[in-house]
Amino acid sequence: NAGVTQTPKFQVLKTGQSMTLQCAQDMNHEYMSWYRQDPGMGLRLIHYSVGAGITDQGEVPNGYNVSRSTTEDFPLRLLSAAPSQTSVYFCASSTRSLDGYTFGSGTRLTVV
Amino acid sequence: AQSVSQHNHHVILSEAASLELGCNYSYGGTVNLFWYVQYPGQHLQLLLKYFSGDPLVKGIKGFEAEFIKSKFSFNLRKPSVQWSDTAEYFCAVNARTGRRALTFGSGTRLQVQP
Repeated sequence: NAGVTQTPKFQVLKTGQSMTLQCAQDMNHEYMSWYRQDPGMGLRLIHYSVGAGITDQGEVPNGYNVSRSTTEDFPLRLLSAAPSQTSVYFCASSTRSLDGYTFGSGTRLTVV
Repeated sequence: AQSVSQHNHHVILSEAASLELGCNYSYGGTVNLFWYVQYPGQHLQLLLKYFSGDPLVKGIKGFEAEFIKSKFSFNLRKPSVQWSDTAEYFCAVNARTGRRALTFGSGTRLQVQP
């Protein structure tokens, strides 16, 4: 099925560990972005990309890195996990016209 | 940068009641407007969107929204809610120029009682 695939669905990390959240889309969308969702705060933009090789910071980029080597993939790296990064992470993609974003099913991350 | 305000954080309605959820945005330029729904344990799904033209937009599942440019508002409405509409609703905007990523409101949790 076409769409945005996120892995893993659940993850528990210890403080200081690093990990990569994977995001892949098969719709040839140029635009991809990562959000975190916290209760009462909606979704906040972490990083986004307008195409392969181009990334930029969103509202809450600290502690996260991204890269976009292909159109399909947009991984999010946590360099040194902290309890404040406990959240649900969503990846989204869109065409260049930004006429509607498709969201992945999310990754629920707990940092202990 | 744009911002989005959703006034109602938690709304409780009985089935068949009418729904209106408020959304106001702040941005000096032209924007695209969206409403997304998130059912419990699921990801976000697009309800409706407005880019231009008729300010009254109809979406899926009987939802509609009206763009009032002078008020910077994009309120979501449904004439008669069902128990299955229990979910969280997010208003979002993206600017048509510059950084065009979606900016979300904080969400409104709707609980429909049978």
